[in-house]
Amino acid sequence: DAKTTQPPSMDCAEGRAANLPCNHSTISGNEYVYWYRQIHSQGPQYIIHGLKNNETNEMASLIITEDRKSSTLILPHATLRDTAVYYCIVVTQGGSEKLVFGKGTKLTVNP
Amino acid sequence: NAGVTQTPKFQVLKTGQSMTLQCAQDMNHEYMSWYRQDPGMGLRLIHYSVGAGITDQGEVPNGYNVSRSTTEDFPLRLLSAAPSQTSVYFCASNSWQGPGELFFGEGSRLTVL
Repeated sequence: DAKTTQPPSMDCAEGRAANLPCNHSTISGNEYVYWYRQIHSQGPQYIIHGLKNNETNEMASLIITEDRKSSTLILPHATLRDTAVYYCIVVTQGGSEKLVFGKGTKLTVNP
Repeated sequence: NAGVTQTPKFQVLKTGQSMTLQCAQDMNHEYMSWYRQDPGMGLRLIHYSVGAGITDQGEVPNGYNVSRSTTEDFPLRLLSAAPSQTSVYFCASNSWQGPGELFFGEGSRLTVL
């Protein structure tokens, strides 16, 4: 079973920030939070990951709560090309050959 | 680098036929895995491998066979295809150095009639 819970769908207006939540209330101290997205029927694409500090890269920002039980992926200026399914997964450092994905959140960016 | 390469991209089989989906990676990754994705569903892990000669079952292994004779290749075999195996199959690889950063192939769309 997936260790994360995400809303099945969300909508966002083009140019606005998209904030995608993820609950991982049973996360362990040595588990990272990873985010992926899957555009249409392509293979999923890695976005960002973090342990306990907030992270930012050219694609997105990741905010992890202090208790690490939830996180938010932020796409600061969503475009139509960001319409995709977004997956949040937890990964154990050193034991991550077996990664389990849930159903993710379908983000629709509207013009 | 080509990354992860899957062949074929499309395949139609009849019930009972066998076939092999090929997967190759050129990143020298230790880990490789196969997922299937059905309409409206997330990715489900079929089999995975932590290195040459070592494989293990994922969530939905029945009806599939794998082997890992080299670091680069991880073929998925359907022994006797069934309509329930109609799906899109993704191969992925990752390294212990970046354990959660999976690199996926473009997918293989399989239809079993």
